[in-house]
Amino acid sequence: EAGVAQSPRYKIIEKRQSVAFWCNPISGHATLYWYQQILGQGPKLLIQFQNNGVVDDSQLPKDRFSAERLKGVDSTLKIQPAKLEDSAVYLCASSLDWDEQYFGPGTRLTVT
Amino acid sequence: KQEVTQIPAALSVPEGENLVLNCSFTDSAIYNLQWFRQDPGKGLTSLLLIQSSQREQTSGRLNASLDKSSGRSTLYIAASQPGDSATYLCAVWGGATNKLIFGTGTLLAVQP
Repeated sequence: EAGVAQSPRYKIIEKRQSVAFWCNPISGHATLYWYQQILGQGPKLLIQFQNNGVVDDSQLPKDRFSAERLKGVDSTLKIQPAKLEDSAVYLCASSLDWDEQYFGPGTRLTVT
Repeated sequence: KQEVTQIPAALSVPEGENLVLNCSFTDSAIYNLQWFRQDPGKGLTSLLLIQSSQREQTSGRLNASLDKSSGRSTLYIAASQPGDSATYLCAVWGGATNKLIFGTGTLLAVQP
């Protein structure tokens, strides 16, 4: 069974630029999550989708972050414009329902 | 608000030693607790998931226990190996917030 795929693995941008991350969950997993992990901290949930509907985006900075999950499969997370404090690892995870989550390798973003 | 604490923040042990990592959480009304492993620059690998009705789970040299009433979990690693060196994260699902809340992790170094 293929795992959660993410791309790119690394991205370096200047502040005020835009960036987008892509996630392909495990086949058949209805729930998809985006997490932000700042160095030295545990991951923090940004947004959770159930199929193509948003379940929780309470911690998503909506003035600059956006996410979508078209057709209930792949998802993209966008930051526009980026700030220095957005430097982090962005992790995508998926689960069959409200149970064990499986994580992708993450995208390491550096904002200079 | 659910808070998850992991002690110690870092641990260094010689190869072959048995060790215990600790996790505590403030809201005992959880659905499950998961232990993850994270290697440098990588995503999270799920090690063990304990449902709220369970007391422990075992996988190979790993044993995780859960005492929901006291808000504690331990991860026991038997006969540690250098390949066990990684950051170990504890996360709880449930309580007042219906999302996975992570601790800040324990950085483990097993010396050969």
